[in-house]
Amino acid sequence: KAGVTQTPRYLIKTRGQQVTLSCSPISGHRSVSWYQQTPGQGLQFLFEYFSETQRNKGNFPGRFSGRQFSNSRSEMNVSTLELGDSALYLCASSFASGIEKLFFGSGTQLSVL
Amino acid sequence: DAKTTQPPSMDCAEGRAANLPCNHSTISGNEYVYWYRQIHSQGPQYIIHGLKNNETNEMASLIITEDRKSSTLILPHATLRDTAVYYCIVRVDNNAGNMLTFGGGTRLMVKP
Repeated sequence: KAGVTQTPRYLIKTRGQQVTLSCSPISGHRSVSWYQQTPGQGLQFLFEYFSETQRNKGNFPGRFSGRQFSNSRSEMNVSTLELGDSALYLCASSFASGIEKLFFGSGTQLSVL
Repeated sequence: DAKTTQPPSMDCAEGRAANLPCNHSTISGNEYVYWYRQIHSQGPQYIIHGLKNNETNEMASLIITEDRKSSTLILPHATLRDTAVYYCIVRVDNNAGNMLTFGGGTRLMVKP
C-alpha cells in the first residue's frame, strides 16, 4: 500500500507569491490534515479535511487555506507569501477523523526568499 | 488536550533499552497518551498509544502509571535507526478531529 505522497518535495518562492502544495493520502483514507514545522515553533496544526469538509482549523491567518477533493486528495494554498512562511509542510492521513493514528508524508520544504 | 513535559534530549547506547519519560499531570480520564517519532527529514511516525493499561507492539512498549500522570516509552533494544525526536501527545479520542498538539519532544541519540 502506497504511503502518503506530497508534492513537490522542495519549493522556492519569493515574497508576495502564492503557492499550492498537494497531498495524496493512503488509499481509503478520508481524513487529511496539514501541519507546519519550523525550527522556532515546532509542529503546528494548520487544518483538517474529512469528506471534503474542513473539520478543524489551527491558529493561522487567512492566507493559509486548503481544500479536499472527492478522491480525498488535498491541496493547501498560501497566498502573499512572507519570509516566515518558510517551513516544512506536512500532510497526514487517516481512515477516520478523531480516533485514528495518523500517517504522515515526508513533507514539502518551502523556502521563501 | 492536556499539556505534556519531556526532557529535551537523551542518549542511549546501541542495544540497550531506551526509556523515554513523559509527564502529563493534568491528563483527563478520557485522554489517551500517544507517542510519535520523527526521524530527520521525514514526517512523524506513529509508535503506540494507550489509555490506562500498558501496551506493547512490535516497535515499543508504553508504561502508564496507575494515576496516569506520567508514562514511559520503552524501546527494548535501541538501534542507530532509532535516533529521532520522540513526541508524547495527550488527546481525547473522539470524533472531534485529528488535531495533534506537538510539544518540543525528546531528541534521542543512540550511540554505538
